[in-house]
Amino acid sequence: DIAVTQSPDSLAVSLGERATINCKSSQSVLHSSSNKNFLAWYQHKPGQAPKLLIYWASTRESGVPDRFSGSGSGTDFTLTISSLQAEDVAVYYCQQYYSTPKTFGGGTKVEIK
Amino acid sequence: EVQLVESGGGLVQPGGSLRLSCAASGFTFSTSWISWVRQAPGKGLEWVTTMKFDGSEKFYVDSVKGRFTISRDNAKNSVYLQMNGLRAEDTAVYYCAREGPFESSTWSDYWGQGTLVTVSS
Repeated sequence: DIAVTQSPDSLAVSLGERATINCKSSQSVLHSSSNKNFLAWYQHKPGQAPKLLIYWASTRESGVPDRFSGSGSGTDFTLTISSLQAEDVAVYYCQQYYSTPKTFGGGTKVEIK
Repeated sequence: EVQLVESGGGLVQPGGSLRLSCAASGFTFSTSWISWVRQAPGKGLEWVTTMKFDGSEKFYVDSVKGRFTISRDNAKNSVYLQMNGLRAEDTAVYYCAREGPFESSTWSDYWGQGTLVTVSS
């Protein structure tokens, strides 16, 4: 099984400042034949359905604000919120879909400082 | 508009059974993989199971293998999760989620609001 770890567990960022979340997989999720990283990012607010933000590690889902960006390859990935807005307060998860079980990271709680 | 609506959750005793349903609308259900993902109280998201659009492939997390069964009825645009031998650690909100029309399982782009399953005596 591929283990996925996120850091930090939580972070507090001032409005308008940058938030950076890290995600590390225990083995590479880069598919050699497609040259794509099988990793997604989700935003989850209390009482709501999770929302897809990023897939293929860096492709933004339609309708997601461009302040959200994903980067990285192989085993190390980053979700960046370039200018934190109040509505971005949530828990963020990465998930690998390279193989089953399709493991999630433990989540990172983002709050306003 | 894509919609996924879960139902069937509730309180069940340890060792009991429950069948969750997920009714889908707003997209071509018969060409979409479907997953169930759960979140235990105070915990993170955990992938549970995924089923291919034609039912030919099913995958489960080890902790539910032999106890949970995913199925679907493409004529009814519905997917089901039969849960037997329930344990306290199965207590969670269960989400139904859609995946893309690919030949392999990928990310989940639409999710339902979830249904709560509580296993307790």
